[in-house]
Amino acid sequence: NAGVMQNPRHLVRRRGQEARLRCSPMKGHSHVYWYRQLPEEGLKFMVYLQKENIIDESGMPKERFSAEFPKEGPSILRIQQVVRGDSAAYFCASSTSGTAYEQYFGPGTRLTVT
Amino acid sequence: DQQVKQNSPSLSVQEGRISILNCDYTNSMFDYFLWYKKYPAEGPTFLISISSIKDKNEDGRFTVFLNKSAKHLSLHIVPSQPGDSAVYFCAASEHGATNKLIFGTGTLLAVQP
Repeated sequence: NAGVMQNPRHLVRRRGQEARLRCSPMKGHSHVYWYRQLPEEGLKFMVYLQKENIIDESGMPKERFSAEFPKEGPSILRIQQVVRGDSAAYFCASSTSGTAYEQYFGPGTRLTVT
Repeated sequence: DQQVKQNSPSLSVQEGRISILNCDYTNSMFDYFLWYKKYPAEGPTFLISISSIKDKNEDGRFTVFLNKSAKHLSLHIVPSQPGDSAVYFCAASEHGATNKLIFGTGTLLAVQP
């Protein structure tokens, strides 16, 4: 059952380090979304990508955060110079197309910044 | 600005009874609504959805009702089972936008045996 895969599941970084989160969408899905869930909050949209294109990054913090979805390989969410406030669960979702409303989520990466 | 609101942080129901989870939204441009279920340390699992052109959608024990004039939707689970205990998120999407989902803050459902 090839669902959405995310790795690592848990990531610990010291302040100032870089965090790289990976997401492989479901088979047949070419649209990827990243969401962040802070403690005691709902999921907040960050970015929407298709292969080699960023479609909507309206939810991405202006600095230190970037995302890519290359032609080959997983989508990557990169956080440079992490701070304690970046500690959260980061979820990736995928869909078959940009018009398909249903998104299917991976298990998440729990980032802890110490 | 919370466009999707779930005002009940928690709900407790007896096994076999009906669970009703509520969700309100403010953006009249939303045209598709979804419910997700989430267990601790897992990702959200899609449950059921409804288009704004409908007022009801049913799938097994789960039914979603949409009241556009009130900007309100609800998820009914009947009969409730202990395995339904989880956090339930309401989400909304706007046609013509980039299909991003706007989530509520969730309701923790506890089904007591």
